[in-house]
Amino acid sequence: AQKVTQAQTEISVVEKEDVTLDCVYETRDTTYYLFWYKQPPSGELVFLIRRNSFDEQNEISGRYSWNFQKSTSSFNFTITASQVVDSAVYFCALLNYGQNFVFGPGTRLSVLP
Amino acid sequence: NAGVTQTPKFQVLKTGQSMTLQCAQDMNHNSMYWYRQDPGMGLRLIYYSASEGTTDKGEVPNGYNVSRLNKREFSLRLESAAPSQTSVYFCASMGLDYQETQYFGPGTRLLVL
Repeated sequence: AQKVTQAQTEISVVEKEDVTLDCVYETRDTTYYLFWYKQPPSGELVFLIRRNSFDEQNEISGRYSWNFQKSTSSFNFTITASQVVDSAVYFCALLNYGQNFVFGPGTRLSVLP
Repeated sequence: NAGVTQTPKFQVLKTGQSMTLQCAQDMNHNSMYWYRQDPGMGLRLIYYSASEGTTDKGEVPNGYNVSRLNKREFSLRLESAAPSQTSVYFCASMGLDYQETQYFGPGTRLLVL
């Protein structure tokens, strides 16, 4: 069975602090894909990153970075120098080869000015 | 290029009524998905369609039916609405390229009284 765990339900930080959102996944498939999405208060879902199971290279995009470690089944997301506009719910998701998506419960991030 | 569109944006039903949620994408994607998001929770997959002519159950299919009318359209039907189906429904689509992402529609808010 597939499962995505985001142990942090809510996180509050002060603007300019760095924050890491944890994501741990479970799957028996050897080929799979991991995603992060942002859901701001307006409700839409915004794609942030997709990572394939055969590519463990970490990625940086501006203030965002992702650390993928197959050995610990984790795909953590770090925001550097957080801003108020980063306040949102962040979802980690797992897609297996059979096209079945599983989302984590989400982490609500509040960035205080 | 409108991406993923959903209709209606908001709907109120009485228990036992039926309705169909419409979804269309103009990105020539093979895969389409229906999710529900309950307050304070992550997304749960209802049904998905990996290609035209195929549909598969997700995590919470009971009480729903789907139709992949053609490559562009994927509809979700509630035959006899129940208060437990009050939720926000998101449609999504994704291409086959491994660099592709999953694009979401704006969501349909459904209230069942």
